[in-house]
Amino acid sequence: EVQLVESGGGLVQPGGSLRLSCATSGFTLSNYWMSWVRQAPGKGLEWVAGIKPDGSETYFVDSLKGRFSLSRDNAKNSLYLQMNSLRAEDTAVYYCARDWGLGGFDPWGQGTLVTVSS
Amino acid sequence: QSVLTQPPSVSGAPGQRVTIACTGSSSNIGAGRDVQWYQQLPGTAPKLLIYANNNRPSGVPDRFSGSKSGTSASLAITGLQAEDEADYYCQSFDSSLSAHVFGTGTKVTVL
Repeated sequence: EVQLVESGGGLVQPGGSLRLSCATSGFTLSNYWMSWVRQAPGKGLEWVAGIKPDGSETYFVDSLKGRFSLSRDNAKNSLYLQMNSLRAEDTAVYYCARDWGLGGFDPWGQGTLVTVSS
Repeated sequence: QSVLTQPPSVSGAPGQRVTIACTGSSSNIGAGRDVQWYQQLPGTAPKLLIYANNNRPSGVPDRFSGSKSGTSASLAITGLQAEDEADYYCQSFDSSLSAHVFGTGTKVTVL
């Protein structure tokens, strides 16, 4: 069974940093693009970032470029989202998802909540 | 700021048919980009419902169908059931933004 499990969320002060992890199982991670999608409380979905199967290239939504970085360790079946200079508007549930390119995201993890507040 | 627009809500009685529109532009749906649809039940992660405009993943009931025309797409739910009460999102790729984009989301209520 394909599974994605996010961790690392929590409460962080404005300007702080947080590293999210996504542990995968049930498939060969090195064969797939992966993405992060976030959802602010009571709001819609927003694609955040994506990474190539070999980790050689990453892509971000314009508003986050420079503050977030994305990496992966295929040997450890894991994906990482490093978030710096966090702002209140970054408060959201962050989901990792297997990225089928132009064919959508499937499956999704259960999400991890990031709260940016003083 | 979503570039794909959906109605905030639609409703229907059990057994009825409802449709959800997703309106894009020439840089996403109108550029020939495929459209996906996701179902998000309360308190859970989104689930892929339709991919590449009109294809259902294994396990998705055939009550759900998708279509695309011009700069818009739509999701139809026939034989509406109480368990279909959820939020639904369309998604595509925007060439101008070089980013995956989601619709504004539609809440389906079963009366």
